[in-house]
Amino acid sequence: KAGVTQTPRYLIKTRGQQVTLSCSPISGHRSVSWYQQTPGQGLQFLFEYFSETQRNKGNFPGRFSGRQFSNSRSEMNVSTLELGDSALYLCASTNPTTDTQYFGPGTRLTVL
Amino acid sequence: GESVGLHLPTLSVQEGDNSIINCAYSNSASDYFIWYKQESGKGPQFIIDIRSNMDKRQGQRVTVLLNKTVKHLSLQIAATQPGDSAVYFCAEKTSYDKVIFGPGTSLSVIP
Repeated sequence: KAGVTQTPRYLIKTRGQQVTLSCSPISGHRSVSWYQQTPGQGLQFLFEYFSETQRNKGNFPGRFSGRQFSNSRSEMNVSTLELGDSALYLCASTNPTTDTQYFGPGTRLTVL
Repeated sequence: GESVGLHLPTLSVQEGDNSIINCAYSNSASDYFIWYKQESGKGPQFIIDIRSNMDKRQGQRVTVLLNKTVKHLSLQIAATQPGDSAVYFCAEKTSYDKVIFGPGTSLSVIP
């Protein structure tokens, strides 16, 4: 079974731009969660989608948004990028039977 | 953002020795706990999990112990190998799939 995939793997943007990241969950997984990982703050929960609905949200500003499609694929968007948004963005899908989250390789975003 | 801790503890062990990585969790209502391994440049990889109705669970070379009284979780790795060098995260799950991660522990295996 294919794992969680994320595209692109690397991105370089400048301040003020916006960015869209994509995540394809493991087949059969309907829950997709997004995390931001930085050396200083560790792994921080952004939001979680289930059946195209946002079910949980972390404490991030409204510049961070997401959505989920009917095939469970998810995207997250960050508008008006700031230098502090530079991070590894991780997507995880949840096995509905075991509740275990499986992570993708992440998208490394650098904001210049 | 929501997270636990800022500093990354480190643990150095000799190859072949056993490793013990500890974690304190925050929510007494959490009922599911997971250990992840993250190697440089990769996403976290599931190692082993345990539910709150258990106090011990064993996998291949790994054992997780749960002490609900003191809200403590530990990961034991038997016969540590160089490939075990990574950052290890504990995570606790509350309701609706919201997972809270610990700060991580960096494990370094000395050949």
